[in-house]
Amino acid sequence: EIVLTQSPGTLSLSPGERATLSCRASQSVRSSYLAWYQHKPGQAPRLLMYGASSRATGIPDRFSGSGSDTDFTLTISRLEPEDFAVYYCQQYATSPFTFGGGTNVDIK
Amino acid sequence: QVQLVESGGGLVKPGGSLRLSCLGSGYTFSDNYMSWIRQAPGKGLEWVASISGPGPTVYYADSVKGRFIVSRDNAKNSVFLQMSSLRVEDTAVYYCAREAKSWVGDLIYFFHYMDVWGKGTTVTVSS
Repeated sequence: EIVLTQSPGTLSLSPGERATLSCRASQSVRSSYLAWYQHKPGQAPRLLMYGASSRATGIPDRFSGSGSDTDFTLTISRLEPEDFAVYYCQQYATSPFTFGGGTNVDIK
Repeated sequence: QVQLVESGGGLVKPGGSLRLSCLGSGYTFSDNYMSWIRQAPGKGLEWVASISGPGPTVYYADSVKGRFIVSRDNAKNSVFLQMSSLRVEDTAVYYCAREAKSWVGDLIYFFHYMDVWGKGTTVTVSS
């Protein structure tokens, strides 16, 4: 099983600041089959990125993803008020299709 | 628009059973794999199970293998999660999600990331 470790657990930032979220895999993620999701309380999770760096439909370009092998990053260039949420990475290369523990981006 | 709606959650005693349903609309339901993902109180997301479009291929998390069965009825645009031998630790919001696919020429590729999610149904296992 591929274990995904996200850091930091909580990121306290102000609107307009840059957010950098990390996702580290316990073994190589084949073909960069790594996705990122945004989750707000009481709502359905929302796909942000797939293939490590491809934005999903309708996702603004302030969101970007990078990385390969075992190290992946989600960057939000300038935080908007609606971006404060929990973010999860997920690998879909190998079953079980595991999620990371999440990073909570909250308002400073 | 594409929509997924879960139902069937509720309160059940340890050792009991429950069947969750998910109704899809707005797309050709049989074209995609479907997944169940859960979130226990105060915890993160946990992938539970996936089933292919026609239904013969299934995957399970180790934590539910042998207790949960995923199935689908494409004629009814529905996917199901039959949960048995329920434990307190199965308490969670259960989400249904559509897995992605992509066409390259005449070839279709299936990917196990989730591009559409439902809003979830709550399962509570407690005596």
